[in-house]
Amino acid sequence: AQKVTQAQTEISVVEKEDVTLDCVYETRDTTYYLFWYKQPPSGELVFLIRRNSFDEQNEISGRYSWNFQKSTSSFNFTITASQVVDSAVYFCALSEDGSGNTGKLIFGQGTTLQVKP
Amino acid sequence: DAGVIQSPRHEVTEMGQEVTLRCKPISGHNSLFWYRQTMMRGLELLIYFNNNVPIDDSGMPEDRFSAKMPNASFSTLKIQPSEPRDSAVYFCASTVKPGQREDTQYFGPGTRLTVL
Repeated sequence: AQKVTQAQTEISVVEKEDVTLDCVYETRDTTYYLFWYKQPPSGELVFLIRRNSFDEQNEISGRYSWNFQKSTSSFNFTITASQVVDSAVYFCALSEDGSGNTGKLIFGQGTTLQVKP
Repeated sequence: DAGVIQSPRHEVTEMGQEVTLRCKPISGHNSLFWYRQTMMRGLELLIYFNNNVPIDDSGMPEDRFSAKMPNASFSTLKIQPSEPRDSAVYFCASTVKPGQREDTQYFGPGTRLTVL
């Protein structure tokens, strides 16, 4: 069965520190998709990145970077020089290949990141 | 462009009352998903529609929950009768292509439901 584990429940850092959020997934599919979403205190879910299982290149977007490693079934997210505005709950998700190629998302439990000034 | 729109944003009701949550997907999107978020269970899929047709409702907790999508631009999630354990944030999400795993789901702002 598909599963996403975010072992870090809460992380607290001081502004300008780098922080890495871990995500480990389980799937028997050879083709799958991984996502990261951000949920700020206002509550909405904001899409950050999508990665498919055939593309193991790391991705960088400003202060955000993602490290995808199939060998360890991990898709970790690093924020460089964290800012207070990065404080949020971050979710890792896996796109499930159910019957009919559904696109159903399996979410991890989320990591709460607190960035202190 | 407008994102996914949900209403109401907050709903407080008493046990036994009927509750209707509404969602307008992004224009041109053909799949719609309803999720529920609670502290205990996290984010879980309730039901999803492709081209207005319900495809998988296995996540709907009980017969008290029902969802409809009468047209491409509107969906409702109804709880009748509501119970305190239904208190949660309910999210609606939409994607462009039906049944495509790679397609990104864009979420609405959510409806925070409190059942007293």
